[in-house]
Amino acid sequence: GENVEQHPSTLSVQEGDSAVIKCTYSDSASNYFPWYKQELGKRPQLIIDIRSNVGEKKDQRIAVTLNKTAKHFSLHITETQPEDSAVYFCAALTTGNQFYFGTGTSLTVIP
Amino acid sequence: DAEITQSPRHKITETGRQVTLACHQTWNHNNMFWYRQDLGHGLRLIHYSYGVQDTNKGEVSDGYSVSRSNTEDLPLTLESAASSQTSVYFCASGVTGGSQYFGPGTRLTVL
Repeated sequence: GENVEQHPSTLSVQEGDSAVIKCTYSDSASNYFPWYKQELGKRPQLIIDIRSNVGEKKDQRIAVTLNKTAKHFSLHITETQPEDSAVYFCAALTTGNQFYFGTGTSLTVIP
Repeated sequence: DAEITQSPRHKITETGRQVTLACHQTWNHNNMFWYRQDLGHGLRLIHYSYGVQDTNKGEVSDGYSVSRSNTEDLPLTLESAASSQTSVYFCASGVTGGSQYFGPGTRLTVL
C-alpha cells in the first residue's frame, strides 16, 4: 500500500517568515494530493490540493509543489501570520480511491 | 447548506460495551470513510464505503464494523470497546478522485 511520510513534525517560525512542509509518497500511481489544516479541537479542513498532471498551484499565501519523479510534494506558506498556527496534514490518493495521510506538522507562528 | 455531522460529540463508555458512532452527510457523496486520530499517528483509516451495501476494511479495522444502508449514513460500531480504542473519531465523505470533507469528530473514552 501507500506510505506517506511528512517532515518536520514541529515547526516554529517568526511572523512574516515562510514555512515549508514536505511529504514523500511511495506509490507512483497516486494522483491527487490534498493538504489539510486542523486547528486545535476542530476538524481537518482542506486548504489546497494538487493533481499529478500539475507541478505547482498557488492560492494567495499558500502554494503546493509536486515532483512526481522524486515522489514528493511540499506546502509553502509565505508571510506567515499567527492564525496560520495549526497542525497541517498532507495526503495522497491512491488508484484504489483511498487516502493515506502523513502524521502531521504542528506549525507555530511566533508574533 | 450541505454538511456532515457526527453524534455523539463526546462519549464515555466502559470496557466490553458495544458503542455506535453516527455519521450523516447531506452532500449526496457516494464515498464515506471513518478515521481515528491519535497523537503521533495522524489519521488512520478504519473502514470505508463506496456506496450503499458496500463496505471495506481499512488499515486499523479490527474491533470495528460498519454498515451502509443508504447514501447519507455510515454508522461505526465498536463491538466490544477496549481502552486502546480511546481516540478521536472522524467521519468523512467525498466523491471518487476528489477531496474529502470531514465531520466535527467524536471524542470517545473507554474506561
